[in-house]
Amino acid sequence: GAVVSQHPSRVICKSGTSVKIECRSLDFQATTMFWYRQFPKKSLMLMATSNEGSKATYEQGVEKDKFLINHASLTLSTLTVTSAHPEDSSFYICSAHPSGSWSTDTQYFGPGTRLTVL
Amino acid sequence: QQQVKQSPQSLIVQKGGISIINCAYENTAFDYFPWYQQFPGKGPALLIAIRPDVSEKKEGRFTISFNKSAKQFSLHIMDSQPGDSATYFCAASIEAAGNKLTFGGGTRVLVKP
Repeated sequence: GAVVSQHPSRVICKSGTSVKIECRSLDFQATTMFWYRQFPKKSLMLMATSNEGSKATYEQGVEKDKFLINHASLTLSTLTVTSAHPEDSSFYICSAHPSGSWSTDTQYFGPGTRLTVL
Repeated sequence: QQQVKQSPQSLIVQKGGISIINCAYENTAFDYFPWYQQFPGKGPALLIAIRPDVSEKKEGRFTISFNKSAKQFSLHIMDSQPGDSATYFCAASIEAAGNKLTFGGGTRVLVKP
């Protein structure tokens, strides 16, 4: 149980295009999902908290117009990197926090999406 | 600023040895302390977690020791195996603040056969 999937696992795009990354909780509901960014050999940096049915909460320094987050259902959150540039190349990871009857303290992480912007 | 400091940055241990990773935190409001294991190109996976009302928790070869007064906690990997070679992250969160995780900087563990 407690599986989180991400799609796609890898994406290569041209500079200036937009890329959408999906995060799904497969066997539990998640009112809250989180989006992280990780640079090589570095720790995870929280970008934003995604709340089902409401606006995402962005961490300081993260451009909300560049990283659009939508949490349309209790099992799906999406991150759209708009007008991507090479400096946006990174490993993007989501996590989901079980809610309702599945509620725990634990966050479960997806496998990550490697974004490369040419 | 909420911070979790992790050490060492890297660790080499012989097969069968003990790997010890330490973390220190500043915010006494933290009430949940998980450890995650991450392999290259993969997402972090929860290993073991502890709450501050417990001083030690053991699951298989993994043990968390927690010192509330010192604001420190550590992960011990007993009988380390080559398959344990990975990056380990400690983290901390506050339930009342939405369970946002604050991560340590990570420790790259290499277990030599």
